Amino acid sequence: QQQVKQSPQSLIVQKGGISIINCAYENTAFDYFPWYQQFPGKGPALLIAIRPDVSEKKEGRFTISFNKSAKQFSLHIMDSQPGDSATYFCAAIAGANNLFFGTGTRLTVIP
Amino acid sequence: EAGVTQSPTHLIKTRGQQVTLRCSPISGHTSVYWYQQALGLGLQFLLWYDEGEERNRGNFPPRFSGRQFPNYSSELNVNALELEDSALYLCASSPGDRVGEKLFFGSGTQLSVL
Repeated sequence: QQQVKQSPQSLIVQKGGISIINCAYENTAFDYFPWYQQFPGKGPALLIAIRPDVSEKKEGRFTISFNKSAKQFSLHIMDSQPGDSATYFCAAIAGANNLFFGTGTRLTVIP
Repeated sequence: EAGVTQSPTHLIKTRGQQVTLRCSPISGHTSVYWYQQALGLGLQFLLWYDEGEERNRGNFPPRFSGRQFPNYSSELNVNALELEDSALYLCASSPGDRVGEKLFFGSGTQLSVL
């Protein structure tokens, strides 16, 4: 059973556009929601993260929106650039070491 | 500060063979995690080691095993290789706090089983 459901599987966005990746969960014990970015040939790297006591977190062009009641959170990439082309994984953590990844979204930003 | 290092970067094996992958965590990190990333699939959790002990394992058969050494480096062993074992194997380390909050990945070992 997939603890964190991520969509879409792939996404193509024009340069300058907004990329939106969505994730949903059921386990109310999750209390930390990181996003990882993976470039081809590299391992994932922590991009941005949010705790459920806030509804939004912004770091540069990257924003996480969090809806606790709906058990959903999303990553928004503003002014998307070709350099943002990568695979993005959402994740959720419960307890000390229960980390669950989404299935990933392959983002392609077209120049 | 050196990141997580994995070796080898690429490996080609045939069915039935055995393989050992190696990982050196970031200095000071005591926890090491292994993930399998098959083509088109997400990150599948394999194993977690902390302070030399196996703390948890994912839903993989026993032919996937590993160990952690006193210097916190780790090995992943896969016996009786099957075609579906072809994947990118990622190692990650954590300073011992909550996993995922500070998880640092290496670039992986690309294993091809022919």
